[in-house]
Order: sequence, then structure tokens, then C-alpha cells
Amino acid sequence: ILNVEQSPQSLHVQEGDSTNFTCSFPSSNFYALHWYRWETAKSPEALFVMTLNGDEKKKGRISATLNTKEGYSYLYIKGSQPEDSATYLCAFPEYGNKLVFGAGTILRVKS
Amino acid sequence: EPEVTQTPSHQVTQMGQEVILRCVPISNHLYFYWYRQILGQKVEFLVSFYNNEISEKSEIFDDQFSVERPDGSNFTLKIRSTKLEDSAMYFCASSDRSGGYTFGSGTRLTVV
Repeated sequence: ILNVEQSPQSLHVQEGDSTNFTCSFPSSNFYALHWYRWETAKSPEALFVMTLNGDEKKKGRISATLNTKEGYSYLYIKGSQPEDSATYLCAFPEYGNKLVFGAGTILRVKS
Repeated sequence: EPEVTQTPSHQVTQMGQEVILRCVPISNHLYFYWYRQILGQKVEFLVSFYNNEISEKSEIFDDQFSVERPDGSNFTLKIRSTKLEDSAMYFCASSDRSGGYTFGSGTRLTVV
């Protein structure tokens, strides 16, 4: 059974701190890795779909890197703001388009 | 920006009752999905639907579950006889050929 792990489980930071979290996935048969941002009562919002080893993608203050050989991706948030508070999910397409999710990292940013 | 719409946002039902969760996927997407998250657990895949039929389903998706795309726009998940353990947040999603997913905001199902 394919396993996707995320760490840490939760993170509390002060406004202005930079932070990062990890997603680990099987390195064999890699196809893509998805990152989502999920706020309570809202839709999970697609942040990045990463496909190439060494890929680095950026969206505002959020960026992500990918290492397919060792099976991990990092998500970075620079200068965290209270509105960044959310659960950050990574997901790995198993075969076809079916996604296997990690448990998520809950980020709380205090002002 | 196109959205996936789910109704209702919250449903409470008695154990043993049938429920239908409704979704309107993005109109030009080809693949449709249901996922769920039981409180405190990972988001888990239930079923995928393509070309008017189920393309894949998980072990969770037993005979109590069914999906339909009755009119070319709605995509429904039916649970025939709900159990307490069906209480979860149910997410509908759709994707295009590139695999880019769009999720709905979910239906929180509470079985009492």
C-alpha cells in the first residue's frame, strides 16, 4: 500500500517567521506530486503540481521543491502571515488520477 | 475562476437512512471523483468516474455506495443505508486530462 507521510503534524509560528514542512512519498514509479492548501469550510486549493526532479515552484511567498530520487518535497513559506493558517496537504497520484494523501501539516500563524 | 459546487454543506441523517450528496463539477472536466475524510484521519479516495462509468473504486466503496451522473452536469454520491462510521467530510473533485484537480468545499455528513 502506497504511503505518503507529512511532517510535522502541526506547527505554530509567529507572524513574520519563515517555515517549511516535508512530504515523503515512494520514489519508484514517480509521476507527480500535488500540494494543496485547505482552510476550514473551504475547498482544498491547489498550490503546485510538481513533476520533475529538482523542480522548484513559487507562488507569492510560498515555494516548493522536489526530489524524486529520494522521495521528498519541501514546502516553504517565507514571512508567514495569519492568513497562511491552514492545513497543507500533499498528494501522490497512485495510478491514473487517483490521489493518495498525506495526513497534512496544520499551520497556525500568530499575529 | 470555475468552481466545483457541493450541496448540502452539512447533512445530519439517522443511521440506516439513505443520503444523496450532490456535486456540480467543472463543465469541461472529464474525470470526477469522491473522496472523504473521517475526523482525524487522512483524506481517502472513494471512487473515480470517467466516460459515464466507474473507472476505479476503493475497498471502502462497497455495495452501499453508488455514483451517478444523471444529467451531464450533476455528479451524485448515494449511500443506501448509512452507518455511524460513514460520518465524514465528503469531497467531490473533477480534473482535466492534465490531472489538475479542483475540489469542492465538501459536505459534512453526520450519522446519528
